[in-house]
Amino acid sequence: TQLLEQSPQFLSIQEGENLTVYCNSSSVFSSLQWYRQEPGEGPVLLVTVVTGGEVKKLKRLTFQFGDARKDSSLHITAAQPGDTGLYLCAGARDTNAGKSTFGDGTTLTVKP
Amino acid sequence: DTGVSQDPRHKITKRGQNVTFRCDPISEHNRLYWYRQTLGQGPEFLTYFQNEAQLEKSRLLSDRFSAERPKGSFSTLEIQRTEQGDSAMYLCASKSTGGNTIYFGEGSWLTVV
Repeated sequence: TQLLEQSPQFLSIQEGENLTVYCNSSSVFSSLQWYRQEPGEGPVLLVTVVTGGEVKKLKRLTFQFGDARKDSSLHITAAQPGDTGLYLCAGARDTNAGKSTFGDGTTLTVKP
Repeated sequence: DTGVSQDPRHKITKRGQNVTFRCDPISEHNRLYWYRQTLGQGPEFLTYFQNEAQLEKSRLLSDRFSAERPKGSFSTLEIQRTEQGDSAMYLCASKSTGGNTIYFGEGSWLTVV
């Protein structure tokens, strides 16, 4: 059973466009992370959100945690080819254990 | 670099052979995790340690898999009698007890031929 659904699965856009990817669940998470992963490498942490309704910004990336802590979104403004990669969300239901459940990711391709 | 390091990065082995992967976590982190990732999927949890104690094992971790963290620092993941279905990237991650975030290594790719 996939607890975290990410959409879209694939996204191909032109440089300069904006985009939003989603991470949805029926479960409540104590914290949620977004990672970016390049082929053959491990996931690299982008952000952690812990409070319902929280919004965090990282340069052109804006992350939002849903009020009920069941879903999250990642918005990228003016995408660049360097943003290309697999974007994974991961939720932890028990912060003390820290074990995370991952979605299957959104593969983003930004064409120059 | 003081991040999580894994060795080897790539391993090709024949079916039936044993393989072992090593993970060195971030030095002050007492939680250590092993995940497995196949193409097109997100990482799946295998097991985790609090210091040297193995606290949880996924049902994905069959009898052929064993993980250890004998001194509470580095960890090893051994796969015995490898099968083609074991081909995947094995990811190690670490976290401090009070922190919210786990940090991943670059992974160890296993190809079973």
